[in-house]
Amino acid sequence: EAQVTQNPRYLITVTGKKLTVTCSQNMNHEYMSWYRQDPGLGLRQIYYSMNVEVTDKGDVPEGYKVSRKEKRNFPLILESPSPNQTSLYFCASSDQALHSYNEQFFGPGTRLTVL
Amino acid sequence: AQSVTQPDIHITVSEGASLELRCNYSYGATPYLFWYVQSPGQGLQLLLKYFSGDTLVQGIKGFEAEFKRSQSSFNLRKPSVHWSDAAEYFCAVGAPQNRDDKIIFGKGTRLHILP
Repeated sequence: EAQVTQNPRYLITVTGKKLTVTCSQNMNHEYMSWYRQDPGLGLRQIYYSMNVEVTDKGDVPEGYKVSRKEKRNFPLILESPSPNQTSLYFCASSDQALHSYNEQFFGPGTRLTVL
Repeated sequence: AQSVTQPDIHITVSEGASLELRCNYSYGATPYLFWYVQSPGQGLQLLLKYFSGDTLVQGIKGFEAEFKRSQSSFNLRKPSVHWSDAAEYFCAVGAPQNRDDKIIFGKGTRLHILP
């Protein structure tokens, strides 16, 4: 089954404790992206990757890091989480570098709470 | 850069009634336009998309949308809603001529269904 998986689905942590949210897709997609969803703000892009070893900042990259060492994986790293990073996070992937033409496939989301 | 506006944060309709969700975009040329649905606790799923050609687009789950260039709109419609349509709906716009090739999501419209 074609899918995007994220882990964990729920996470409660404390300020400053490094964490990683994993994302994996099995569709051989080139393009992957991370979004955060906050009430009243919709989805905002954090980082995206056009292909392996190619990543770039989205609209709200501060406090986040990503890596793309393999095509299927695109982990989101919070080196020192803060309460304002409490949010619902989505990973998405789409085929080909010209991603805006293509449907994005979304993971189920990770709800993060930073105390 | 492109932008997208969903004027209605919440919409409530009775089951069996017709539905129209509004979406307005700003872009200098013909954009790529999408509607996604997010059911409770799930990721986003593509309902339909418009790139060119026929301005009335059919999607999944009985939805359709009409691209109106003169009004810069891409409203989503359904003739008769079902209780299972209760969800959050996101309009998104992609800009074919933008170098960074990004999709911008609206802030979403939450649809409530009255029995």
